[in-house]
Amino acid sequence: EVQLVESGGGLVQPGGSLRLSCAASGFTFSSYWMSWVRQAPGKGLEWVANIKQDGSEKYYVDSVKGRFTISRDNAKNSLYLQMNSLRAEDTAVYYCARESIAAAWAGYYYYMDVWGKGTTVTVSS
Amino acid sequence: DIQMTQSPSSLSASVGDRVTITCRASQSISSYLNWYQQKPGKAPKLLIYAASSLQSGVPSRFSGSGSGTDFTLTISSLQPEDFATYYCQQSYSKGFGGGTKVEIK
Repeated sequence: EVQLVESGGGLVQPGGSLRLSCAASGFTFSSYWMSWVRQAPGKGLEWVANIKQDGSEKYYVDSVKGRFTISRDNAKNSLYLQMNSLRAEDTAVYYCARESIAAAWAGYYYYMDVWGKGTTVTVSS
Repeated sequence: DIQMTQSPSSLSASVGDRVTITCRASQSISSYLNWYQQKPGKAPKLLIYAASSLQSGVPSRFSGSGSGTDFTLTISSLQPEDFATYYCQQSYSKGFGGGTKVEIK
């Protein structure tokens, strides 16, 4: 069964750090781009970061640049999100998602076809 | 940065109704547009990718259309399990629309 399981969420004070993990199973993890997506309480979805199959390319939403770092360990089939200098506005459920591709006329269509159940991060004093 | 605007933000409909949700991009995104369904307390689920391609296992009552800046998600005959929030997403810079909540009338 294709599965993603997040862990590492919790309560942290403003300015603190947290490391999220996402364990993948049931597919060849090293063949896929992977993303983190978050959802603040009662709000919509916000893409946070993604990473290429070999870790050589990483992209971030502007609001987390310089504070969050995405990484992966293909030998352990795991994705990570190191979150530093946390703020109240980082409070959210954090999902990891697999990015699949379909061929297009020029390039590829990317879409998130497998999602974990999420882990909750609360930033509060 | 590409902005995605969904309308309406919410709607009320009855079982069997035809429902249409619109998503507009602030600049052309060709067909790089995905649709997701999310139920309360659950992870999002992919419905449509590349604007009009139905994800495997998704019922055929869901369809997507559009290209460039204007896109639609249509549910041809609303079922009880379709009451949820729907999000569009452009796959250039991954941004999501604000969501459309489909509620029971």
